[in-house]
Order: sequence, then structure tokens, then C-alpha cells
Amino acid sequence: AQRVTQPEKLLSVFKGAPVELKCNYSYSGSPELFWYVQYSRQRLQLLLRHISRESIKGFTADLNKGETSFHLKKPFAQEEDSAMYYCALSFSNYQLIWGAGTKLIIKP
Amino acid sequence: DAGVTQSPTHLIKTRGQQVTLRCSPISGHKSVSWYQQVLGQGPQFIFQYYEKEERGRGNFPDRFSARQFPNYSSELNVNALLLGDSALYLCASSPRTGDYTDTQYFGPGTRLTVL
Repeated sequence: AQRVTQPEKLLSVFKGAPVELKCNYSYSGSPELFWYVQYSRQRLQLLLRHISRESIKGFTADLNKGETSFHLKKPFAQEEDSAMYYCALSFSNYQLIWGAGTKLIIKP
Repeated sequence: DAGVTQSPTHLIKTRGQQVTLRCSPISGHKSVSWYQQVLGQGPQFIFQYYEKEERGRGNFPDRFSARQFPNYSSELNVNALLLGDSALYLCASSPRTGDYTDTQYFGPGTRLTVL
């Protein structure tokens, strides 16, 4: 069965430090992978997606099919990055499979 | 555009009752998906509708049903409520056919509490 695992419920780093939010998935085909973010008191919104290969707000994510991972990275964390981050996987039957989320706290 | 809207914001029901949640997609979006998010977990897919037809269904019992109207708005109906149905129910719309590469745009959710 398809599954998305985010091993860290909580990640706390200092401002200016590098950030890596881990995401591992299980799916044998070619999935589309997403990172969604939810800032305090805001709705879920797309941060970035694998197919676009873009950097948003300084975040990047690389799909590693060998390790079935799609980790989210940012070289220098900012306080406004504090939020809940969800990794999600989509494939051919129109649904998104979500991880449990990682709460990122950036300490000043 | 106000984005995806959902009503009501909060709802309290008792076990055995029925509830209807409503969603209006972003103007021009034809696909609507519903998710259940239990506290501390990621969203779980319930349904996707496109052009009034069900495109996908998650692993939820038949007590859960949905429909999409000609104006692309949608309702999620849950019968015979259980305590375990207490959750945040999210609606998302997407601009195209609901293809799996689509970005989904989320509403603020409806918080359902079952007592």
C-alpha cells in the first residue's frame, strides 16, 4: 500500500541554521510528490511540487527514487518558516496520500 | 476571489445523528476533494468529484457520501455519526481535471465534534 512517512513530529532549529524535513514514501510507480505548509491560523497551501523543480521561499526538495525520499531543505532558516509541513504523494487514482506532518520551530 | 469556502466553521453533533458539510470551490475550478484530518495526523482522502462524477474514493465506510452540484459546489454527508468521526474536514479544489499532478487549493475546514 502507498504510504508517506515523516519521521519527525517536531523539529526545532536556530535561525540561520540549515533545515531538513524528512519524507519517505512507499510506491512502486512514478508518483508526484508535494510539500504543503500550514502557517499559524492559515489554511493548507502548496509549498512546492516535484514536477516543477522549483525553489519556493528558499526551500528545495529532490526526489530520490533509490531511497524513495523527498526531503525538504533550506540552507538558512528564518523565523517565518515556523509552520506545520506535510509531505504528500499522488498517483494515478486522483488522491493525495499524506504524511503525519512535521512541526518546524525556528528559534531566534 | 475568496478562495475555497466551507460551511459551517464548527459543528457539534451527537452520536447517531447525520451531518452535511458544504464546500464552494474557487471560481473556474471543476474538481473538489474531501479530506478528514484527525488531530495529530495528516489529512486522509475521502472523495474526489469532477464534473459531478465521483473520481475517487478513499477507505471510508458507506456512511460517508458526497455529491457535486452543477455550479461545482459540493456537499459531504455523514450518517450515523460515531465519536471517531470527530475531526477537521477539509475541502480542496483543483483547476483541471483532478489529474494527479494538479495542485489542490484548500479551504479552512469544518471542525466537527461528535459527543
